Amino acid sequence: AQKITQTQPGMFVQEKEAVTLDCTYDTSDPSYGLFWYKQPSSGEMIFLIYQGSYDQQNATEGRYSLNFQKARKSANLVISASQLGDSAMYFCAMREGSNQFYFGTGTSLTVIP
Amino acid sequence: EAQVTQNPRYLITVTGKKLTVTCSQNMNHEYMSWYRQDPGLGLRQIYYSMNVEVTDKGDVPEGYKVSRKEKRNFPLILESPSPNQTSLYFCASSSGTRYNEQFFGPGTRLTVL
Repeated sequence: AQKITQTQPGMFVQEKEAVTLDCTYDTSDPSYGLFWYKQPSSGEMIFLIYQGSYDQQNATEGRYSLNFQKARKSANLVISASQLGDSAMYFCAMREGSNQFYFGTGTSLTVIP
Repeated sequence: EAQVTQNPRYLITVTGKKLTVTCSQNMNHEYMSWYRQDPGLGLRQIYYSMNVEVTDKGDVPEGYKVSRKEKRNFPLILESPSPNQTSLYFCASSSGTRYNEQFFGPGTRLTVL
């Protein structure tokens, strides 16, 4: 079974609108971490946001928030007020207790002016 | 400047010719890791290291070797490269206590003919 599933290969959003990128995960470890990374066309990997499995509140970092639903094993990324510079690939990832990392296949986001 | 460096950035080689991709970090990080990125597959972890002389297999270790003789360096070795190892490779590092802040290198694009 896939550890991380991103079901949206591509998404479009109008500039200044909010967008949600979906991510579901699969683990039996009680301790894990969830991450979102951005990869612009230039290729570098940029860390966006982190959520620990024991965190009670959803993580937020500026315009990014993580909608963490533990029972549903989902960790969706919400980007508010989209900007043209948000156009990129977005990867959801998980670190299990063993410290091994798993990444999803990514979602390509295009922001339309 | 805090950074992860990889060399070379681009490499074209032939099947069976041993090669090493170097990775170095200047942040005194305990955790280092190698990933490969392939279209449609996202990033997959090859090997990771919790500290000097401690390495573990990731999801796709076959055909690769690593070593961690010094804290700052984590080279990836392909003893006998094959065309299916043509990929984009990323090295990453993080503090042992803050795995969420994984710093990625710029990537190495490897082509095996």
